[in-house]
Amino acid sequence: AQRVTQPEKLLSVFKGAPVELKCNYSYSGSPELFWYVQYSRQRLQLLLRHISRESIKGFTADLNKGETSFHLKKPFAQEEDSAMYYCALRGAGGTSYGKLTFGQGTILTVHP
Amino acid sequence: DTAVSQTPKYLVTQMGNDKSIKCEQNLGHDTMYWYKQDSKKFLKIMFSYNNKELIINETVPNRFSPKSPDKAHLNLHINSLELGDSAVYFCASSQGRRSPSNEQFFGPGTRLTVL
Repeated sequence: AQRVTQPEKLLSVFKGAPVELKCNYSYSGSPELFWYVQYSRQRLQLLLRHISRESIKGFTADLNKGETSFHLKKPFAQEEDSAMYYCALRGAGGTSYGKLTFGQGTILTVHP
Repeated sequence: DTAVSQTPKYLVTQMGNDKSIKCEQNLGHDTMYWYKQDSKKFLKIMFSYNNKELIINETVPNRFSPKSPDKAHLNLHINSLELGDSAVYFCASSQGRRSPSNEQFFGPGTRLTVL
């Protein structure tokens, strides 16, 4: 079974402060991990994926297989980063093929 | 605009009614999905179709019946609506089921309220 846990439902920081949104996963095989973001009144959209190893809007996330984590980080938060963030896992094979399993989501609020 | 679109955006109905939500994508994708986001914002997959064939069917009541008339459309029909069906339903599409490039693109969501 595949499972994603985001322990923080709400996270508040001040503008310019570092931010880290935590994500832990459980999956027996080799997973693909993603971060999706939903800004206010907008649709869910992909922020980044672990295989790309890229930085999007200043955000990075490193897959740590030892700790089964995929935390999202940004050194200096901006007000426009305020949104709902979902960590998601895609497994391989069997009936999980292609399915995205989402965490519970973290609402990030960046105060001025 | 190339995108995933859903209709209606809002749906308010009485318990026991039957309703449908439509989804269309013009991205040329071959795989489409339905997700449910509950009141706690928990997002969970319900169904997935690949080339009009059902490939994922989570534990969803059989009152929910997806229908894919072609690769560009995946509709969701719900019979005998219950209070617990109130949620936001998201449609998504991707090209292929698992490849580095098959990002899932989401529709704007349909907020269903059952009274």
